[in-house]
Amino acid sequence: EAQVTQNPRYLITVTGKKLTVTCSQNMNHEYMSWYRQDPGLGLRQIYYSMNVEVTDKGDVPEGYKVSRKEKRNFPLILESPSPNQTSLYFCASSAPGRLNTEAFFGQGTRLTVV
Amino acid sequence: SQKIEQNSEALNIQEGKTATLTCNYTNYSPAYLQWYRQDPGRGPVFLLLIRENEKEKRKERLKVTFDTTLKQSLFHITASQPADSATYLCALDRSGGSYIPTFGRGTSLIVHP
Repeated sequence: EAQVTQNPRYLITVTGKKLTVTCSQNMNHEYMSWYRQDPGLGLRQIYYSMNVEVTDKGDVPEGYKVSRKEKRNFPLILESPSPNQTSLYFCASSAPGRLNTEAFFGQGTRLTVV
Repeated sequence: SQKIEQNSEALNIQEGKTATLTCNYTNYSPAYLQWYRQDPGRGPVFLLLIRENEKEKRKERLKVTFDTTLKQSLFHITASQPADSATYLCALDRSGGSYIPTFGRGTSLIVHP
């Protein structure tokens, strides 16, 4: 089954404690991206990657890091989380050049930083 | 700056009517525009894509129009049902055909029985 898998689904952590949210896709997609979603602000793009070892900042990259060492994985790293990073996070993947190109989303990770 | 604007107010309609949602954009030259459905707490699910050279696209009860002169897309759901209640997001490609979508804030649709 084609899917994007994020882990964990729920996470409560303390300010300053480094964490990683994993994202893996099994569709051999070149493109992957991370979004955060907050009430009233919609889905905002954090980082995206157009291929292995190629990453770029989205609209709200501050406080986040990513890496793309393999095509299937695109982890999101919060080196020193702060309460304003409490949010619902989504990973997505997509592929270029397909007739009906669409982004596939993971189930989401609800992060609370206290 | 680039903007994708959707009506932030919820759209309330009666079952059986046609729902029409609007997406306007500025400072984009999109190769395509997409519409997604999102249910609370879940990831968006792709519905339709329309390319810059297409005026209209249909899929079952869904219809999308795309006017690159007006910089606007309209999304219609005909014969709406309570199960259509959700938030609908429009998305444009991040940079000319990159297929990495940037999203509007979405419009909530509520269909009353």
